[in-house]
Amino acid sequence: NAGVTQTPKFRVLKTGQSMTLLCAQDMNHEYMYWYRQDPGMGLRLIHYSVGEGTTAKGEVPDGYNVSRLKKQNFLLGLESAAPSQTSVYFCASTPPSKGWTEAFFGQGTRLTVV
Amino acid sequence: AQKITQTQPGMFVQEKEAVTLDCTYDTSDQSYGLFWYKQPSSGEMIFLIYQGSYDEQNATEGRYSLNFQKARKSANLVISASQLGDSAMYFCAMREWAGSSNTGKLIFGQGTTLQVKP
Repeated sequence: NAGVTQTPKFRVLKTGQSMTLLCAQDMNHEYMYWYRQDPGMGLRLIHYSVGEGTTAKGEVPDGYNVSRLKKQNFLLGLESAAPSQTSVYFCASTPPSKGWTEAFFGQGTRLTVV
Repeated sequence: AQKITQTQPGMFVQEKEAVTLDCTYDTSDQSYGLFWYKQPSSGEMIFLIYQGSYDEQNATEGRYSLNFQKARKSANLVISASQLGDSAMYFCAMREWAGSSNTGKLIFGQGTTLQVKP
């Protein structure tokens, strides 16, 4: 199984440019999440989705948009990138059917905004 | 508000020795779950161990065990017989249980960098 796959793995953007990060999972999980990781701060939740067609804001949603048009995909968009969005982005998925005891992460996307 | 605190920014341990990574949490909920993840220099997040708040036994997974002290709100990770490959960043995380409206969100600590010396 591929598990949770993020595309791309690395990206450099200029300030003001836009881009979309793709997260794909092949485990049929209902819940999906986008986190960002900054030095010394652990991971913080940006947005999440509890099912196809639904999204909700997390702890640090400003400057990001998301969409979940298909159950297996969760997209994170940056409409106008800023240097403050330089970070490592992680996608995760969870199957509630397993009693919330599991959470699977993608390999991360390292984004630099110059 | 829920919070996870890892007070050790960095730790050293000699190969083959045991090491304990500290994690304390703050929540007013009775039902929650605690996770530990390993993040090697390659960057991926590797699930290590899970402890539910109602689990009576401490969780164990191979060389990893979770020293769960509910009254003290601590969930320390114990790695026995450290190996060079254990050198990594380790994160403690908490998932609160909100019943039918559970979202599965994780709250992470700041992480502890562990270095295993040969």
